[in-house]
Amino acid sequence: TQLLEQSPQFLSIQEGENLTVYCNSSSVFSSLQWYRQEPGEGPVLLVTVVTGGEVKKLKRLTFQFGDARKDSSLHITAAQPGDTGLYLCAGVRAGNNRKLIWGLGTSLAVNP
Amino acid sequence: ETGVTQSPTHLIKTRGQQVTLRCSSQSGHNTVSWYQQALGQGPQFIFQYYREEENGRGNFPPRFSGLQFPNYSSELNVNALELDDSALYLCASSSGTSAYNEQFFGPGTRLTVL
Repeated sequence: TQLLEQSPQFLSIQEGENLTVYCNSSSVFSSLQWYRQEPGEGPVLLVTVVTGGEVKKLKRLTFQFGDARKDSSLHITAAQPGDTGLYLCAGVRAGNNRKLIWGLGTSLAVNP
Repeated sequence: ETGVTQSPTHLIKTRGQQVTLRCSSQSGHNTVSWYQQALGQGPQFIFQYYREEENGRGNFPPRFSGLQFPNYSSELNVNALELDDSALYLCASSSGTSAYNEQFFGPGTRLTVL
C-alpha cells in the first residue's frame, strides 16, 4: 500500500493549459514537499508546506496543503514546455521524523 | 559550493556481477541517503549513512551494502546483480539525519543489468 498516492500518474497537455496534480494520504503529515525531476537529473525541491491550509506560490505554480494535513495539490497555470518533468511529493509523517515518504510521481508532458 | 556528484553516469553489467557506485556529498553535509528509482516512478529508499554508520534501511536485501568515508562521501555496492536491479540510483546529501533536513540530489547513476 502506497502511503502517498499521486494522481494522475500521467498527464499530457498543450502549452497554455492549466493543470492540477494531487498527493493524497490517509495519514497526517507534519510537512509535505514537492519536487520536480527532469530526465537525467535528480529531483529538485520546489517547495515545503508545513501548516494545514497553507498556500504557497512559485511563479505559475501554486501549492496547497490540506486543512487536515493529509493531502496536497500542485496547480500550474498556463503550462509551458519547460514545465515538463516528473512531479514528486514526499512527506514527513506526524510523529516519525526519521523517514521521508515518497509518492510515485506524476509524469507531465507539455506539448508546444 | 559544490553540489552532489555521482559516478559513473551510466553503467552496464550482467547478471551475477557486482557493482560499486560513488557519491560525493555537498560541502558541509554529513548525511548521505541512497535511493533506487525505476523509470517513471518515485525513489525507493535503500539506506542512509551518518558519521560512517548505516542509519536506517529500506526494504532491500543484504546484497545492497554501503560505506561512508570520513569526508562524508559514500559508496553503494550491489552484489549478485539481478535484472530487476536495473534502475537509476540516486544519492542525496543533507545536513542531518532528520527527514526535515532538505535533501540535495545528485544526477544519479543509470545502471542496466543484462
